[in-house]
Amino acid sequence: KAGVTQTPRYLIKTRGQQVTLSCSPISGHRSVSWYQQTPGQGLQFLFEYFSETQRNKGNFPGRFSGRQFSNSRSEMNVSTLELGDSALYLCASKPTAGGANYGYTFGSGTRLTVV
Amino acid sequence: DQQVKQNSPSLSVQEGRISILNCDYTNSMFDYFLWYKKYPAEGPTFLISISSIKDKNEDGRFTVFLNKSAKHLSLHIVPSQPGDSAVYFCAASSYGQNFVFGPGTRLSVLP
Repeated sequence: KAGVTQTPRYLIKTRGQQVTLSCSPISGHRSVSWYQQTPGQGLQFLFEYFSETQRNKGNFPGRFSGRQFSNSRSEMNVSTLELGDSALYLCASKPTAGGANYGYTFGSGTRLTVV
Repeated sequence: DQQVKQNSPSLSVQEGRISILNCDYTNSMFDYFLWYKKYPAEGPTFLISISSIKDKNEDGRFTVFLNKSAKHLSLHIVPSQPGDSAVYFCAASSYGQNFVFGPGTRLSVLP
């Protein structure tokens, strides 16, 4: 079956702009989580969506938002971009929210560069 | 305040020898732990997991050990192969929610 698909793969934006990233989870997976990866910081949790509802949220400012559609696809939006938002944004899906029996399946990520 | 720490940013090991990657956590509520491997330009891939009711889980060349009293887990790779060269992330969660990842350890397996 197809894996987690993230689009676009690469993106260059200017400070102050906004950006929308897209994630299509594995078919049948209803939980989608977003992570930000920067050098030395590992993967920082942004938020998790399940059945179109935000279940959990990490410690990121309100400029970071997301949503999930009825087909489980998810989008992440960052407004008023700052240079420090440059990172690899990873989407991960799993069948259910919570439930320790399944690890995440990650997409390849979107590399965002803010100039 | 990092709840999951991987204090070695990098590790080099000779092919065929054992690789030991370490991870420490601070939150005693964590009860489920994962290891992921990440190659450049790819998303992390799930390697192996362990729940707090166990102290060891083995899958082929990969074994994860959990020491709950020390809040420490380690990943052993035996024997190490050049294809194992990647960044390894440790992740921890409470009740399978909000996995917290460590900063990663870059493993280089030298031929």
